[in-house]
Amino acid sequence: DGGITQSPKYLFRKEGQNVTLSCEQNLNHDAMYWYRQDPGQGLRLIYYSQIVNDFQKGDIAEGYSVSREKKESFPLTVTSAQKNPTAFYLCASTPLTAPCDYGYTFGSGTRLTVV
Amino acid sequence: AQSVAQPEDQVNVAEGNPLTVKCTYSVSGNPYLFWYVQYPNRGLQFLLKYITGDNLVKGSYGFEAEFNKSQTSFHLKKPSALVSDSALYFCAVRALNSGNTPLVFGKGTRLSVIA
Repeated sequence: DGGITQSPKYLFRKEGQNVTLSCEQNLNHDAMYWYRQDPGQGLRLIYYSQIVNDFQKGDIAEGYSVSREKKESFPLTVTSAQKNPTAFYLCASTPLTAPCDYGYTFGSGTRLTVV
Repeated sequence: AQSVAQPEDQVNVAEGNPLTVKCTYSVSGNPYLFWYVQYPNRGLQFLLKYITGDNLVKGSYGFEAEFNKSQTSFHLKKPSALVSDSALYFCAVRALNSGNTPLVFGKGTRLSVIA
């Protein structure tokens, strides 16, 4: 089955630690996105990438980093500079040929908690 | 700049009654509009979209949405609510002529259908 897979489902981070969230898709989609979801704040865009080896900052990129070495993969690293990382993180993808006809396909999310 | 407003944090409706979840938007030019639904600890699922054509759009699970250009609204509706419709609903928008810029999401409306 084609889809988008996020792992792990739950992740715990200690203070001062970097952690990496995985996002893999086998839909042959060009564009991939990372959103952060907090209660009452909706989805806020962290980073996005429309082509391999290129990515753009979203609205809340500070404290995060990404890479896009392969079309299928778009991992997100939450660095120690992110002071309040506890949130639900969602990865999404879409083809660029007709992005809005397809809408976005979302992964099931990773819940990150600082301990 | 693009923006979406979902004025209600919570909507409560009795099972069998009609439901409406409100969304207004702001874009330069014509909009692409979407509704997504999210169940607990899951990613977002596509419900329906408006690009051009008929102002009444039909989507998954009996949902529909009405595009109103003069009021810049795209309210989600269903004639008869089910308890299983209880979830978090997100409206999203992108300008038609904005290239491949990411979707902008509202803050979400929690729908509670009471038996």
